[in-house]
Amino acid sequence: AQKITQTQPGMFVQEKEAVTLDCTYDTSDPSYGLFWYKQPSSGEMIFLIYQGSYDQQNATEGRYSLNFQKARKSANLVISASQLGDSAMYFCAMRDDNTGANSKLTFGKGITLSVRP
Amino acid sequence: NAGVMQNPRHLVRRRGQEARLRCSPVKGHSHVYWYRQLPEEGLKFMVYLQKENIIDESGMPKERFSAEFPKEGPSILRIQQVVRGDSAAYFCASSLRGRTGAGYQPQHFGDGTRLSIL
Repeated sequence: AQKITQTQPGMFVQEKEAVTLDCTYDTSDPSYGLFWYKQPSSGEMIFLIYQGSYDQQNATEGRYSLNFQKARKSANLVISASQLGDSAMYFCAMRDDNTGANSKLTFGKGITLSVRP
Repeated sequence: NAGVMQNPRHLVRRRGQEARLRCSPVKGHSHVYWYRQLPEEGLKFMVYLQKENIIDESGMPKERFSAEFPKEGPSILRIQQVVRGDSAAYFCASSLRGRTGAGYQPQHFGDGTRLSIL
C-alpha cells in the first residue's frame, strides 16, 4: 500500500522568499509518480508539478521545483519568490505507475501555506 | 474553458434523499476518477471508471454509493439515502490514459461539488 505523509504545521513565509514544503512517502512499487497540487481557499485543485521515480533530474515548473530524494523517500516542493497568491493548501500525492496497475492518486493530508506581505 | 466540469458546485440534501453529482471530463479524456475530501483532510480515492466500465471501486463505500460513466454523457456519482457523514467535497478528475505511456498523464481536477446534508 502507498502512503503519503505531510506533517508540517501551518507554514508561513515572507513574500518574495523561498519556502520548502515537506513530503515523505512509502511504497514497495518500483515505478511510481509523485505530484503536488495546490488548493486555494476557493476550493479547486490545481496541478503544479510531477516527478517520476525513474527521472534522473528533479522536476521544475516555473517557480516550483521538486527536491526528489529517492533513497530518503522524500519529494519536497520548493516555491521560490513567494507571492501572496501562493497562500493555499498544498497536497502531495502518489500514483503507482506500474504497467497493469490502476492510476488512483493517494494524497497526503496537506500543508497550509500563508504568505505574508 | 475546456477543463473538467462538475455540477452542481453546491448541493444541499436532507437526510434520506438522493444526491447526484455530475462530471464532464476534459474533451477527449476517457478516464474518470472520483475523490472525496472531508474537512481538514486530503482527498480519498473512491472510484476509477472508463467509458461504460468500472475499473477500480476499491474506495467506494459498499452501500448507497454508485458511479457510472456512460458511453454518452457525463459521469455520475450517486449517493442514495444520504446521511450527515456524507457531507464533503466530491472531486472528479480525468486523464487521457490511465497508465503512463510516452509520458506521464496527470489527472485534471474539476472544482468539486460541496455536498451538505441537513
